[in-house]
Amino acid sequence: DADVTQTPRNRITKTGKRIMLECSQTKGHDRMYWYRQDPGLGLRLIYYSFDVKDINKGEISDGYSVSRQAQAKFSLSLESAIPNQTALYFCATSEDSQETQYFGPGTRLLVL
Amino acid sequence: SQQGEEDPQALSIQEGENATMNCSYKTSINNLQWYRQNSGRGLVHLILIRSNEREKHSGRLRVTLDTSKKSSSLLITASRAADTASYFCATDLYLRGKLIFGQGTELSVKP
Repeated sequence: DADVTQTPRNRITKTGKRIMLECSQTKGHDRMYWYRQDPGLGLRLIYYSFDVKDINKGEISDGYSVSRQAQAKFSLSLESAIPNQTALYFCATSEDSQETQYFGPGTRLLVL
Repeated sequence: SQQGEEDPQALSIQEGENATMNCSYKTSINNLQWYRQNSGRGLVHLILIRSNEREKHSGRLRVTLDTSKKSSSLLITASRAADTASYFCATDLYLRGKLIFGQGTELSVKP
């Protein structure tokens, strides 16, 4: 079984809808991250969490919110989806913020 | 602006040739990492080199780090078609606790 899982894997939604992307991990890591990837722009950090009580904004947090329900779960919400949020979203975990990050398989989101 | 920038953006070579990708960054770092991404999939960690290291090897991979020039290179020797992927460098901003990824180099290895 994969160590970092994301659901759903693909999602099509309409402008204005609220959606949630979920991430679960079995690695026992405290640190979790949400990134979005757009063609030609690499990965950009949306939010990150160093433990259940510590959540931080990344470089592109506007329009997004997160919830760290437990050490193993970190959810990303789009409160009111807009077309320019169409992207590939990745969750990642790490044992230490300076060390290797382990990525989930990604969620492909299309906002119409 | 991006902390890490890869060069070239795209590279096409024949199987058996070596592939070299470069990464430049702007600020002091604790370590630099290289990741690989097969089309549309999650990134996979390849190698980490610390700021006090100059070279590191892992199988067919060789990474160098020049902190005076704020640059790193990834060399893949004897490339294979299966090496076709995008390669990203990632740097940790000193004491900031997070990685910043570059835009990636898209490598195509033709059989």
